Amino acid sequence: DTAVSQTPKYLVTQMGNDKSIKCEQNLGHDTMYWYKQDSKKFLKIMFSYNNKELIINETVPNRFSPKSPDKAHLNLHINSLELGDSAVYFCASSQDRGVQYFGPGTRLTVT
Amino acid sequence: AQKVTQAQTEISVVEKEDVTLDCVYETRDTTYYLFWYKQPPSGELVFLIRRNSFDEQNEISGRYSWNFQKSTSSFNFTITASQVVDSAVYFCARMDSNYQLIWGAGTKLIIKP
Repeated sequence: DTAVSQTPKYLVTQMGNDKSIKCEQNLGHDTMYWYKQDSKKFLKIMFSYNNKELIINETVPNRFSPKSPDKAHLNLHINSLELGDSAVYFCASSQDRGVQYFGPGTRLTVT
Repeated sequence: AQKVTQAQTEISVVEKEDVTLDCVYETRDTTYYLFWYKQPPSGELVFLIRRNSFDEQNEISGRYSWNFQKSTSSFNFTITASQVVDSAVYFCARMDSNYQLIWGAGTKLIIKP
């Protein structure tokens, strides 16, 4: 039973395309997150979201948008992809803003 | 910025040696949480420990131990009798007032057989 899952695991696309990464958690958690890990392994929070509040890291371009159809899902939409968007994207979830549990990551390559 | 510093970019030791990974953090908060995560070569991020700033007791879990020193703003991680399977990138992180994790740059640990 996977606690936090992401699809796809790998995504290769061309510049200018629009793509989505899906995330689902079956832990019953109330808060979900998206992180970006660059080629140097540096992790940066992009968004955190629960039913009440979306917190956006101000450095994230508005080409990135989270969409949550329900409490168990937080998808990441990216418009007009750029070369610099190539990275590994991690979804995570937590309960009451406690310990965050991570999905396996999605490796995005923009060519 | 209230950052988390992991000064050791990479550490290489021979199996069975003890190794300590350093973590120093900055914060103006009186209450905060600190974390360690492991990222093995397979790429997933695995939670290891969370420590509340009120609890300064050291913690031991098998071969892993953590030394929290509030006076020096450090939260160091020691692996005793290291094994090849311990090879990974280890991240220290602090939770900020928005409940988001501020990450260190990670320390790559290589355990040689």
